[in-house]
Amino acid sequence: LAKTTQPISMDSYEGQEVNITCSHNNIATNDYITWYQQFPSQGPRFIIQGYKTKVTNEVASLFIPADRKSSTLSLPRVSLSDTAVYYCLFSGGYNKLIFGAGTRLAVHP
Amino acid sequence: NAGVTQTPKFQVLKTGQSMTLQCAQDMNHNSMYWYRQDPGMGLRLIYYSASEGTTDKGEVPNGYNVSRLNKREFSLRLESAAPSQTSVYFCASRRQGKGAGELFFGEGSRLTVL
Repeated sequence: LAKTTQPISMDSYEGQEVNITCSHNNIATNDYITWYQQFPSQGPRFIIQGYKTKVTNEVASLFIPADRKSSTLSLPRVSLSDTAVYYCLFSGGYNKLIFGAGTRLAVHP
Repeated sequence: NAGVTQTPKFQVLKTGQSMTLQCAQDMNHNSMYWYRQDPGMGLRLIYYSASEGTTDKGEVPNGYNVSRLNKREFSLRLESAAPSQTSVYFCASRRQGKGAGELFFGEGSRLTVL
């Protein structure tokens, strides 16, 4: 079964860059890596997806090394509103989408 | 455009009672999912439906049944509720694309089993 490993929690301060790493040792050749954000009492929300190298959008960057056994979500200049749980996910068989335990990010003033 | 709609939003059951959680999406997505999230924990996949007419077990299917009624609707049924099924249940649909695509989640259904 596809499995990811992330740090349980992280702390940061407003204005800092935050990097959250996810390990996925048994990722398959056709798997993409996807990251979601979840606020309390809400469903997760898609942030970014990538296959290899680097992907950037308006909210985050995703770095994936050549071996694809890990990925790093980078949040530039975080604010208090970025306090949330962040999940990496990849398909354990294309349609079977399994979430990891997530990383609880706390941003402090 | 409502996205993914779940009903009910809150429900209290007694042990042994049955109920069905309803989910509907208006985005014409093929794949739909049911997850549960216990307090302070991550999401666990219960069942999913890759397309109309198909359903498959996820990580924690025991105690649940599902029905993919049509392309829009995917329901989750608890036949005999147990306190261990107290959780928040999220339904999601997936926009097809490269890789895992993008999941769109409902607001959740908060279930308490006494």
